[in-house]
Amino acid sequence: AQSVTQLDSHVSVSEGTPVLLRCNYSSSYSPSLFWYVQHPNKGLQLLLKYTSAATLVKGINGFEAEFKKSETSFHLTKPSAHMSDAAEYFCVVSDRSTYKYIFGTGTRLKVLA
Amino acid sequence: DSGVTQTPKHLITATGQRVTLRCSPRSGDLSVYWYQQSLDQGLQFLIQYYNGEERAKGNILERFSAQQFPDLHSELNLSSLELGDSALYFCASSGERGREGGELFFGEGSRLTVL
Repeated sequence: AQSVTQLDSHVSVSEGTPVLLRCNYSSSYSPSLFWYVQHPNKGLQLLLKYTSAATLVKGINGFEAEFKKSETSFHLTKPSAHMSDAAEYFCVVSDRSTYKYIFGTGTRLKVLA
Repeated sequence: DSGVTQTPKHLITATGQRVTLRCSPRSGDLSVYWYQQSLDQGLQFLIQYYNGEERAKGNILERFSAQQFPDLHSELNLSSLELGDSALYFCASSGERGREGGELFFGEGSRLTVL
């Protein structure tokens, strides 16, 4: 069975410092992995996706994530946080045999001036 | 703009009432997913339709039902509403031209308030 764990429910960083949002997954099959961002009262927007091509995936707004099969991780990073990055972030795993999408519980990112 | 349209954006109603939420998927997408997001429960998967057929069910209450029409738009019907049904309801679509497993495209959501 698939599952996804976002290790931190809240992360605070100062503007201009690196961001690390952690995600671990469990999947019986070769997974597809996604990161979504949700700004207040908005829908979820895709940041990036991994679908078995390059293990280092670059997304929008300077975010990237690295798929590490041995660690079953897909952590999201950004070198320098911007105030506009303050939002909730969801890690999602999709099993390619069932096409079900499993969402993590979300990480709320706060960016301090 | 994701290409997924949800109406209405906001809805206020009373307990015991019935409402219908509507979703138009991205052009060409065959799958529609419904999610409920509330402060205490987080993002919960309700139900998925693929090309008019129910494909998967999640934590959907018996008071709730959904369907997908031949033009691929979908409706989520919520009846006998309770205070706890107040939430943001999202629709997402995927599966352009039948190709599944790609990313989900989300609408802006319908915010339901039950008084």
